[in-house]
Amino acid sequence: EPEVTQTPSHQVTQMGQEVILRCVPISNHLYFYWYRQILGQKVEFLVSFYNNEISEKSEIFDDQFSVERPDGSNFTLKIRSTKLEDSAMYFCASSDSGTANQPQHFGDGTRLSIL
Amino acid sequence: GNSVTQMEGPVTLSEEAFLTINCTYTATGYPSLFWYVQYPGEGLQLLLKATKADDKGSNKGFEATYRKETTSFHLEKGSVQVSDSAVYFCALTPTGNQFYFGTGTSLTVIP
Repeated sequence: EPEVTQTPSHQVTQMGQEVILRCVPISNHLYFYWYRQILGQKVEFLVSFYNNEISEKSEIFDDQFSVERPDGSNFTLKIRSTKLEDSAMYFCASSDSGTANQPQHFGDGTRLSIL
Repeated sequence: GNSVTQMEGPVTLSEEAFLTINCTYTATGYPSLFWYVQYPGEGLQLLLKATKADDKGSNKGFEATYRKETTSFHLEKGSVQVSDSAVYFCALTPTGNQFYFGTGTSLTVIP
């Protein structure tokens, strides 16, 4: 079964540094998403992306965050100047239709630790 | 607004016991409802879904029925196995764009 793959599985970064989290969505999917889960808290929506544009973003997704689809297969989340509170598990997801009756398919996540 | 409330965990059951994990929701409009499962060290995997009132989603012996009148989507399984030990997340989406998740319920099944 096709999978969403995320790299790296664990990223350790110094506070203030930039970090890029990478995702390869399922190949025929057109809708892409990032979520994060701070330890012990809910999985929270960050951003959705379709047709090379952000279609929706949450309050969490402020100016330090950006997303990009640099080529036909990768989807990246960049955090420009990391803060301690950015430490979390980050999940990438993709969907073929973006409609409410279809699930989003999630990767295994990248655990981001900010020191 | 949109939100999901799940029963607090952790839940510990003996093998072959009956499982219920409660989930209630608040939503604008008519959302689709999902259960995802997260096994240790892995991502969120779709377990089942229901897209309209009175639909029953089912998979691997798990079931959940979309109850609009009680705004609930409780997860049930008649006989759990050790391999069902995982964290279970209830989720909804009104439009397909943003998913809203519950806090997750950790299940441990002991032999």
